[in-house]
Amino acid sequence: QVQLVQSGAEVKKPGSSVRVSCKASGDTFSTDSVNWVRQAPGQGLEWMGRIIPFLGTSNYAQRFHGRVTITADESTGTVYMDLISLSSEDTAIYYCTRRARVGGFDVWGQGTMVTVSS
Amino acid sequence: EIVMTQSPATLSVSPGERATLSCRANESIDTDLAWYQQKPGQAPRLLIYGASARATGVPARFSGSGSGTEFTLTISGLQSEDFAVYFCQQYNNWYNFGQGTKLEI
Repeated sequence: QVQLVQSGAEVKKPGSSVRVSCKASGDTFSTDSVNWVRQAPGQGLEWMGRIIPFLGTSNYAQRFHGRVTITADESTGTVYMDLISLSSEDTAIYYCTRRARVGGFDVWGQGTMVTVSS
Repeated sequence: EIVMTQSPATLSVSPGERATLSCRANESIDTDLAWYQQKPGQAPRLLIYGASARATGVPARFSGSGSGTEFTLTISGLQSEDFAVYFCQQYNNWYNFGQGTKLEI
């Protein structure tokens, strides 16, 4: 069973960018898609985008288009999420998660807290 | 965009009782619906997919129903560990989550 291990917490200045990584352990991503979901403090879940690592194809939620880039390094089993032009509204926990073949997201990383503050 | 609306926002139930949580889509999503449980400080956990199928390891007291635009998550015989926030998610057309229902004692 694959596990997803994310990089550590980040503190960023407004206007800067952040990279969060998500490494598969115990198995590979195979043909699964890896998605990024964020959760602002005390708020709900918001899908940002996804990548199918073995194809290298990415898709993004419209509200993040142009600000988020999701890439994958199959050789290391790692997926990256880059978010640019950060503002305080981007302060959130960012999760990577695997799309289950039967539906839904069945495996989640531990989450990475990104704080944007001047 | 598909909008998912959950009700109620907060549900107060006693241990041992039954909880019924609702989720509505603004257009038909067939049975492309999942339910998640989230406890404080933890990532969400998949409970239900395909509107009614339990994910691996999910106790039988959790059941899902519905199709089209109306969905229900029922938790029978509530246990202390079930008090958490529950989210629904559609995956018929990309992904959208409901705003969550907090299940409290």
